[in-house]
Amino acid sequence: GNSVTQMEGPVTLSEEAFLTINCTYTATGYPSLFWYVQYPGEGLQLLLKATKADDKGSNKGFEATYRKETTSFHLEKGSVQVSDSAVYFCALRPAGGTSYGKLTFGQGTILTVHP
Amino acid sequence: EAGVTQFPSHSVIEKGQTVTLRCDPISGHDNLYWYRRVMGKEIKFLLHFVKESKQDESGMPNNRFLAERTGGTYSTLKVQPAELEDSGVYFCASSPSQAYNEQFFGPGTRLTVL
Repeated sequence: GNSVTQMEGPVTLSEEAFLTINCTYTATGYPSLFWYVQYPGEGLQLLLKATKADDKGSNKGFEATYRKETTSFHLEKGSVQVSDSAVYFCALRPAGGTSYGKLTFGQGTILTVHP
Repeated sequence: EAGVTQFPSHSVIEKGQTVTLRCDPISGHDNLYWYRRVMGKEIKFLLHFVKESKQDESGMPNNRFLAERTGGTYSTLKVQPAELEDSGVYFCASSPSQAYNEQFFGPGTRLTVL
């Protein structure tokens, strides 16, 4: 079956540091890939997405590139802010089939940014 | 436009009791999903409605869980009888009929079974 593996957290950084959160996946075909973010006390929000190989998703200074050859979708940001402190989830959605709506999530990475 | 809403935000019940969670999707969204996150683990899919029909219920853990979406609007998820391992956060999400790529999530219901 499909699966998503995220780097273990928590991750603690100083403001303006570079962020990478690794994500790799196992799936057949060409799934769509997502990063969701959950800020304290809130629900999950879509941060960015990519629907085909070599696509780059970007939003709020975050970027991730769909790498089919390495089955990866690593999240990066060049300069983090305190307001980026949250839990980040990598997820995939299959290309088709009965479970076309099913998101498979990684375990989540807690990011804390200090001033 | 109102987002996905869930009720209650928290529920604490005794083992063996029944609990019903409610989800109101974004108006006009045909697709409605239920997920849950057990403490410290990944968010897991439970099921997917298209309007009032169950498109995919492959993630429902056992027959103690019953999901309904009468009339294709709001949905309920009933757990009867609740067990300790049912504790966690239950998320609902919705998406429009032609935009499967983005699912909009509610804030979740935190269920604690004692």
